[in-house]
Amino acid sequence: AQKITQTQPGMFVQEKEAVTLDCTYDTSDPSYGLFWYKQPSSGEMIFLIYQGSYDQQNATEGRYSLNFQKARKSANLVISASQLGDSAMYFCAMREGSYGQNFVFGPGTRLSVLP
Amino acid sequence: GAVVSQHPSRVICKSGTSVKIECRSLDFQATTMFWYRQFPKQSLMLMATSNEGSKATYEQGVEKDKFLINHASLTLSTLTVTSAHPEDSSFYICSAQGQVIGNTIYFGEGSWLTVV
Repeated sequence: AQKITQTQPGMFVQEKEAVTLDCTYDTSDPSYGLFWYKQPSSGEMIFLIYQGSYDQQNATEGRYSLNFQKARKSANLVISASQLGDSAMYFCAMREGSYGQNFVFGPGTRLSVLP
Repeated sequence: GAVVSQHPSRVICKSGTSVKIECRSLDFQATTMFWYRQFPKQSLMLMATSNEGSKATYEQGVEKDKFLINHASLTLSTLTVTSAHPEDSSFYICSAQGQVIGNTIYFGEGSWLTVV
């Protein structure tokens, strides 16, 4: 069974607008971490944001915020004021356990920012 | 954030030869390093997990004799693709975790391997 689901294979957004990338996850472990990574065409993976399962507040990092809805098991990434450089693949990932090494990725969403 | 460096970024080798890819954590001690492979337009596929000083744990379906992983120090892990074949052409990326960076895993830049 898929542990991480990203239902949007591709997304378009106008420059300067906000966009939400969906991510739902499945785990029975009460302790887990959720991550978002950006992969530009060059291939490198860039860490964007982290949300722990016990964190009370939604994580924010600059223009990135994570809309964490624990009961719904969703961890959507919100990018505000989109820039052309935001065009890339975005991967949602989950690690189960406090220091677990079981790290799984979603299939990714390709975001294209339009001028 | 923490820095993980991967080298080479691109390599072309002949069929039957071996090629080594290095993954270094530059500013922290990486107790665990991960090696992934990514096919075009697909997500990352975990190949193996290596803990410093011990043998790597390979995922099902990954040939351990073909993809040799060494994690001899807390800052260096290597992936050696032996007897390379054109089907081994792919994007390989490493990541590392360490106590100083908490729960986050940081990735290297990745390596494009082309076997001709």
